[in-house]
Amino acid sequence: DVKVTQSSRYLVKRTGEKVFLECVQDMDHENMFWYRQDPGLGLRLIYFSYDVKMKEKGDIPEGYSVSREKKERFSLILESASTNQTSMYLCASSLGGTPNEQYFGPGTRLTVT
Amino acid sequence: AQSVSQHNHHVILSEAASLELGCNYSYGGTVNLFWYVQYPGQHLQLLLKYFSGDPLVKGIKGFEAEFIKSKFSFNLRKPSVQWSDTAEYFCAAVGAGTASKLTFGTGTRLQVTL
Repeated sequence: DVKVTQSSRYLVKRTGEKVFLECVQDMDHENMFWYRQDPGLGLRLIYFSYDVKMKEKGDIPEGYSVSREKKERFSLILESASTNQTSMYLCASSLGGTPNEQYFGPGTRLTVT
Repeated sequence: AQSVSQHNHHVILSEAASLELGCNYSYGGTVNLFWYVQYPGQHLQLLLKYFSGDPLVKGIKGFEAEFIKSKFSFNLRKPSVQWSDTAEYFCAAVGAGTASKLTFGTGTRLQVTL
């Protein structure tokens, strides 16, 4: 069974803190993605990766960075958290090539105070 | 730029009512289309997908969607909804043969009352 796990379901951080969100998939998928989900805005792509050490900016990369040192793991980094980064963060993975179906993790609800 | 529009933001239906959720996409070439569902407290999961062939696609839990190329639409339908269909529904599109980047709509929250 396909599985995407995220390190935390809920996280509370202070403004200015460095935040790491971890995502692991066990399906040997080439592609991994980070989205944020906000009410009325749907899912917006932050960053994605086609392969180890590869990354590409999505639609809203400002304030975020990513790391993919191993195929199964994709980390999202908030260098200096701000209150406008309070959101639900979703990780997904998919096989390489197109068309593709993405498999999602349970999400991390991040609150920045 | 590619975009996906879901015009119904919040839909309330009684059990056994029929459902149709609208999805329109804006893209010049061939597209692959998806509907995802997010039940309360659960992760997003695929409901159905269209890549090519028969434009009427059947998915899980009795859902279906029809791809109408001339209308740039991929509406989701179910003849008779159940209380357990209460969820948020997202339409998504990606250009066929391009990078894996999906574009999602803003979602439709469906509330089914008993």
